[in-house]
Amino acid sequence: SQTIHQWPATLVQPVGSPLSLECTVEGTSNPNLYWYRQAAGRGLQLLFYSVGIGQISSEVPQNLSASRPQDRQFILSSKKLLLSDSGFYLCAWRKEIEGQNPYEQYFGPGTRLTVT
Amino acid sequence: AQSVAQPEDQVNVAEGNPLTVKCTYSVSGNPYLFWYVQYPNRGLQFLLKYITGDNLVKGSYGFEAEFNKSQTSFHLKKPSALVSDSALYFCAVRVRRGYYGQNFVFGPGTRLSVLP
Repeated sequence: SQTIHQWPATLVQPVGSPLSLECTVEGTSNPNLYWYRQAAGRGLQLLFYSVGIGQISSEVPQNLSASRPQDRQFILSSKKLLLSDSGFYLCAWRKEIEGQNPYEQYFGPGTRLTVT
Repeated sequence: AQSVAQPEDQVNVAEGNPLTVKCTYSVSGNPYLFWYVQYPNRGLQFLLKYITGDNLVKGSYGFEAEFNKSQTSFHLKKPSALVSDSALYFCAVRVRRGYYGQNFVFGPGTRLSVLP
């Protein structure tokens, strides 16, 4: 079966510090991967998605970046955090097979980031 | 623009009563619709999806959803609510995003409170 991991679970960082959040998926190959941010326990904002190694699409211009160094690894980074970067960060994966019905996304447990 | 609306921020229902969480959508082409649930400080869990076929879709934990094409709605329902159903519920629609294929657009979420 497939599982998705995120770490760390919680993080408190000062403004201006760097950030690295990691997401890994097990039990599948070549998944589509996604980073979302959820503010104030409500709506999801899609930040980045990736259809393969080294292929990243950014949905929202900001001081965050994403990388996919391996097939099942997705990393969210920042060189200098802002207060507005605080939130709940969710990673998700889904399988995409052309010609087949759309598959649902599966979400990781999330990382709670507080920028102080 | 392709979008999802959840017109109610909050739904309150007594335990044992039927519950409905509303969702309307606006997409071009055939809609592929999904419902997710989120418990506090957790990732989203997939409940059910509509791709094609029967308008009434059954999912996890006794939930079902009714697809209504003429009203562009996909309301989530359960015949008898449990206190443990209290959570945040998200409706989502799959959309095409440029060259890289498909992504999901999520509604703003509806907080369900089931009162004992």
